[in-house]
Amino acid sequence: DTGVSQDPRHKITKRGQNVTFRCDPISEHNRLYWYRQTLGQGPEFLTYFQNEAQLEKSRLLSDRFSAERPKGSFSTLEIQRTEQGDSAMYLCASSLGQAPYNSPLHFGNGTRLTVT
Amino acid sequence: SQKIEQNSEALNIQEGKTATLTCNYTNYSPAYLQWYRQDPGRGPVFLLLIRENEKEKRKERLKVTFDTTLKQSLFHITASQPADSATYLCALDSSNTGKLIFGQGTTLQVKP
Repeated sequence: DTGVSQDPRHKITKRGQNVTFRCDPISEHNRLYWYRQTLGQGPEFLTYFQNEAQLEKSRLLSDRFSAERPKGSFSTLEIQRTEQGDSAMYLCASSLGQAPYNSPLHFGNGTRLTVT
Repeated sequence: SQKIEQNSEALNIQEGKTATLTCNYTNYSPAYLQWYRQDPGRGPVFLLLIRENEKEKRKERLKVTFDTTLKQSLFHITASQPADSATYLCALDSSNTGKLIFGQGTTLQVKP
């Protein structure tokens, strides 16, 4: 169990640029989640996958955000035309999702995005 | 509207004392609730899960209670140590799908 890894750890970009983050989950986990966290707040749900299928996307998520999980392995989160309000920590988590769906989430250490 | 609330003010206690953190929720009927620990610059780490039919769960110096009538969970750390200083997050599954909704977290500072 090598844990959930995220790349890069830090990203500084100028407003209007596109950025892409990568998440490698624990290999046997079929579920993968993306969360966003700002200072002093808890993680906010963005989207999740079961294998390669994206099952839910937060209604708060702008159309500028897109996530993929090809072949049900690693996942990418892309933000297009970044805005200063996108500055946050982006966290990825994975779990062994099976009924009754109460497995703990295993988080990576996040990608900190700063939009200048 | 649905809410999960934790004490937003930091909790400062002396080493050796018991820390008690509160998580209240409204307009949810979760089948279970989880607690996580988060250190600065790191992702949350799972600590404990308690189901709706369990009143109390223990793990070493940690104890969690779950009162579905009060819609509240309490998280206790006994014999606290400076190494317990961190932010503690409660989380619940609002839709029984495994997707967790988190509270804003409470920061605990244990002073030697």
